[in-house]
Amino acid sequence: QKEVEQNSGPLSVPEGAIASLNCTYSDRGSQSFFWYRQYSGKSPELIMFIYSNGDKEDGRFTAQLNKASQYVSLLIRDSQPSDSATYLCAVNSRDTDKLIFGTGTRLQVFP
Amino acid sequence: DTGVSQNPRHKITKRGQNVTFRCDPISEHNRLYWYRQTLGQGPEFLTYFQNEAQLEKSRLLSDRFSAERPKGSFSTLEIQRTEQGDSAMYLCASSPDIQAFFGQGTRLTVV
Repeated sequence: QKEVEQNSGPLSVPEGAIASLNCTYSDRGSQSFFWYRQYSGKSPELIMFIYSNGDKEDGRFTAQLNKASQYVSLLIRDSQPSDSATYLCAVNSRDTDKLIFGTGTRLQVFP
Repeated sequence: DTGVSQNPRHKITKRGQNVTFRCDPISEHNRLYWYRQTLGQGPEFLTYFQNEAQLEKSRLLSDRFSAERPKGSFSTLEIQRTEQGDSAMYLCASSPDIQAFFGQGTRLTVV
């Protein structure tokens, strides 16, 4: 079992819709959860992080964490074509400070 | 620009040659990470420094790889006797605590 799992996609949504990206993790002791956006050929860019169960909102982005289900998600409201990218979920390891990444979900927002 | 800086941005080398990459972190960040990313995969952890101390090194990292962070400032990653399988994007990230911010990456091609 991979430590951090994401559906590779692509997830295709129309402009203006809500995009929902999901991630599961295997280490129950994980404490911090991050979403990165990565455009093709570029490096990952941190867009959100969450530590506590529940929702955290930042502009058009909402991160949701459910530690009991070992599940974290990212909602993007009013999706724009410029949101088309790969979204990487990362989890902070319990025993060290390194981040463990999933393989990413490719999002396509079409006009 | 006060972000994480990596040099060079691109490197093409012949198999068997040694290469060295440099990372200049954000100045107040005491944590520095090296990751490697291949096409279609998430970043894979290589090693981690807190100030000048190398606290963790991936078991996946062969002894051809070495990293340093003298005086807790910039860091270098050296790959000796490069192999075609070393072709990847090498990413450096720095962090003040848990949130990691990536540089632009160095794309290595071994021919």
